Amino acid sequence: QVQLQESGPRLVKPSETLSLTCAVSGDSVSSDHWWSWVRQVPGQGLEWIGEISHSGSTNYNPSLKSRVTISTDSSIIQFSLHLTSVTAADTAVYFCARERTRSGTTFFDYWGQGTLVTVSS
Amino acid sequence: DIEMTQSPSSLSAYVGDRVTITCRASQTIGSYLNWYQQLPGKAPKLLIYAASTLQSGVPLRFSGGGSGTDFTLTISSLQPEDFATYFCQQSYSIPPYTFGQGTKLEIK
Repeated sequence: QVQLQESGPRLVKPSETLSLTCAVSGDSVSSDHWWSWVRQVPGQGLEWIGEISHSGSTNYNPSLKSRVTISTDSSIIQFSLHLTSVTAADTAVYFCARERTRSGTTFFDYWGQGTLVTVSS
Repeated sequence: DIEMTQSPSSLSAYVGDRVTITCRASQTIGSYLNWYQQLPGKAPKLLIYAASTLQSGVPLRFSGGGSGTDFTLTISSLQPEDFATYFCQQSYSIPPYTFGQGTKLEIK
């Protein structure tokens, strides 16, 4: 059973960098999947942040591209999100998720439980 | 970006009712449309992919349809555990993947 778990600081100061890690078990970041970060402002919709492949290729949401970096570490059992120059608008629940492609469409079949990150001084 | 618009934004229904939620894309997306259910405080759960294929383990009362720009999610007979928020998501033109704003299904 694939499981994902987000971790990182729950409180970040404005203008600083938000950093989260997603630990993967039951699968490997080096498997033939892409891995994503998605966020949700409480009570609102879902916003895709970006993705990373097993080989380290990345794609980002153009609306966040200038501030986002997604990476994997050498252990290939986790991947990370870094979002720079945060403001209160970045306060959200951050989810990591595994992607899968079938019948031509790509969907998110496994999700972490999500972690609320608050941007405040 | 492809904009996904769901209707209605909220819906009240009784247990046992049949309900349909609509998702419209701002441009044609073929069948590259997926549906998720989100319970309060939980992560989204995949229900349907490729517009009409039921994810393994999802009850048969859920069904999806449509192609091009207009899609539907139907629950044939609402159960108490179905009261949640539902989101559609397109994967036709990326980045970025985009989601609908959500439809909150409440018990009447």
